[in-house]
Amino acid sequence: QQQVKQSPQSLIVQKGGISIINCAYENTAFDYFPWYQQFPGKGPALLIAIRPDVSEKKEGRFTISFNKSAKQFSLHIMDSQPGDSATYFCAASEPGGNNRLAFGKGNQVVVIP
Amino acid sequence: ETGVTQSPTHLIKTRGQQVTLRCSSQSGHNTVSWYQQALGQGPQFIFQYYREEENGRGNFPPRFSGLQFPNYSSELNVNALELDDSALYLCASSQTNRATYNEQFFGPGTRLTVL
Repeated sequence: QQQVKQSPQSLIVQKGGISIINCAYENTAFDYFPWYQQFPGKGPALLIAIRPDVSEKKEGRFTISFNKSAKQFSLHIMDSQPGDSATYFCAASEPGGNNRLAFGKGNQVVVIP
Repeated sequence: ETGVTQSPTHLIKTRGQQVTLRCSSQSGHNTVSWYQQALGQGPQFIFQYYREEENGRGNFPPRFSGLQFPNYSSELNVNALELDDSALYLCASSQTNRATYNEQFFGPGTRLTVL
């Protein structure tokens, strides 16, 4: 059972454009929502994360928008660069315990020059 | 680079064999989590070790087992390998603080191929 669902599966964006990846979840106990970036042959690296007490968080060119009532959150990559070409995973975690991460299936983003 | 190391980087085994994967956590971290990432999928939580004890387990059979050592490094053992065990195995280290979410730092993974 996929607890976190991502869309679209893949995305092709022109350099300088905006990449938008969406994520939906069902478990209302989730209280931590990170996005990870993964390059081929590497482990996932934390990009940006948000908690449900805020609706938006921005770090450089990356922004998370969070809609608690719709149980959705999205990653926006502004001014996309070829170096942003990677697979992006959304994830979610419940409070306390072992903070296990439930990951989505991933979105492959390709930024063309 | 996260400071989390894993060995070996690649491994080929045949069905029915046993395998041991190793992980060294980042300095100052006391917790190691293991994830399985099948091709084209997101990582799936296997289990976590905190202070040398299992601290939660995902939906994986008992033939997946682990250890954590006093220096917080960890091993993942898989017995009776099946073809579907072919995947990238990721180790993530963190410093457990019950009061807050503990960010997990991933290693580069071990690519296991079962023939």
